[in-house]
Amino acid sequence: EAGVVQSPRYKIIEKKQPVAFWCNPISGHNTLYWYLQNLGQGPELLIRYENEEAVDDSQLPKDRFSAERLKGVDSTLKIQPAELGDSAVYLCASSLEGQDSDEQFFGPGTRLTVL
Amino acid sequence: AQSVSQHNHHVILSEAASLELGCNYSYGGTVNLFWYVQYPGQHLQLLLKYFSGDPLVKGIKGFEAEFIKSKFSFNLRKPSVQWSDTAEYFCAVNARATGRRALTFGSGTRLQVQP
Repeated sequence: EAGVVQSPRYKIIEKKQPVAFWCNPISGHNTLYWYLQNLGQGPELLIRYENEEAVDDSQLPKDRFSAERLKGVDSTLKIQPAELGDSAVYLCASSLEGQDSDEQFFGPGTRLTVL
Repeated sequence: AQSVSQHNHHVILSEAASLELGCNYSYGGTVNLFWYVQYPGQHLQLLLKYFSGDPLVKGIKGFEAEFIKSKFSFNLRKPSVQWSDTAEYFCAVNARATGRRALTFGSGTRLQVQP
């Protein structure tokens, strides 16, 4: 079974530039999550999708961050414009609704460096 | 809102030593509890999980964790660590009654096992 795929793995940009991250969840997983992980911290939720609907985006800084999950499969997270403080690892995870345990499967992440 | 505390930020052990990593959460309702591990250069992987039943949960690679509801704790244990256990360990909670299926993570514990 293929895992959660993310690209790119690394991205270096200058501040004020736009950047986009892509995620393809495990086949059949209807729930998709984007997390932000700062150095030395645990992941923090940015947005959760149930199919194509964003059902929890309360932690997403909507002035500069946006996300979409067209067709309820893969997803893109965008930052425009990027700031120095956005340097972090952006993780994508997926899960299958209906599982009691809500086990989430994580991708390798995209490490963003903003100069 | 729920929160997770991991008391040990950095633990250094010799091979064959016993391990216990602390995890406490704050939420009064029913929870799912997880330990994830991140080996160097790899993505987050599920180590073990608890959502109901026997409070002593066994996971992969000889790890186990005990859910003590009265103490709001879910400590991770291993009787004898190996060099290959060197990794970062994250405790996470999902408060089922809230319907918020995203995980709340602790800040992580970096385990270094010396040969």
